[in-house]
Amino acid sequence: GNSVTQMEGPVTLSEEAFLTINCTYTATGYPSLFWYVQYPGEGLQLLLKATKADDKGSNKGFEATYRKETTSFHLEKGSVQVSDSAVYFCALSDNGGATNKLIFGTGTLLAVQP
Amino acid sequence: GAGVSQSPSNKVTEKGKDVELRCDPISGHTALYWYRQRLGQGLEFLIYFQGNSAPDKSGLPSDRFSAERTGESVSTLTIQRTQQEDSAVYLCASSLLAADTQYFGPGTRLTVL
Repeated sequence: GNSVTQMEGPVTLSEEAFLTINCTYTATGYPSLFWYVQYPGEGLQLLLKATKADDKGSNKGFEATYRKETTSFHLEKGSVQVSDSAVYFCALSDNGGATNKLIFGTGTLLAVQP
Repeated sequence: GAGVSQSPSNKVTEKGKDVELRCDPISGHTALYWYRQRLGQGLEFLIYFQGNSAPDKSGLPSDRFSAERTGESVSTLTIQRTQQEDSAVYLCASSLLAADTQYFGPGTRLTVL
């Protein structure tokens, strides 16, 4: 079945460091791919998405490119801030299915130190 | 506008009791989803509603779990005879249509003692 694997955390970085959080997926068909973020004490928010191969999703300085050849959707940011500290979830939806339910990775905790 | 809301935010119950969790989706959203997040794990899909019918219940872990939705509005997730392994954060999400972006509520943290 469909699944998402993302790197385990926690990831601890200094402010202005480069961030990569790896995400790979297994899916039949042509899923859409997402990164959701959960800031401390808040609900899950959509960060960015890509709906087809080679699409790049971007938001708030974060980027991720849908790579079908490597079945990956790695999250990157060139210069992290303390305010980026949160848990990041990679997810896919099966667009060929009837429900469009999301399948999530286990989440990666990012801690950015000043 | 108002987002997805859930109540209660926290629920502590004793093993064997029944609990009801409520979700109010964004007004006009036809699709509604329930997910569960157990400690240290990712979110697991439980059930999907389109309108007030549930075409996908494949994620419900046992027959102790059930859910209903009134029209294209409020949904209630009921867990009967709760067990300690039911302890988790239960999240609700809604989307305008099934293929659209899902917006999540803040969740209900359930603790079964």
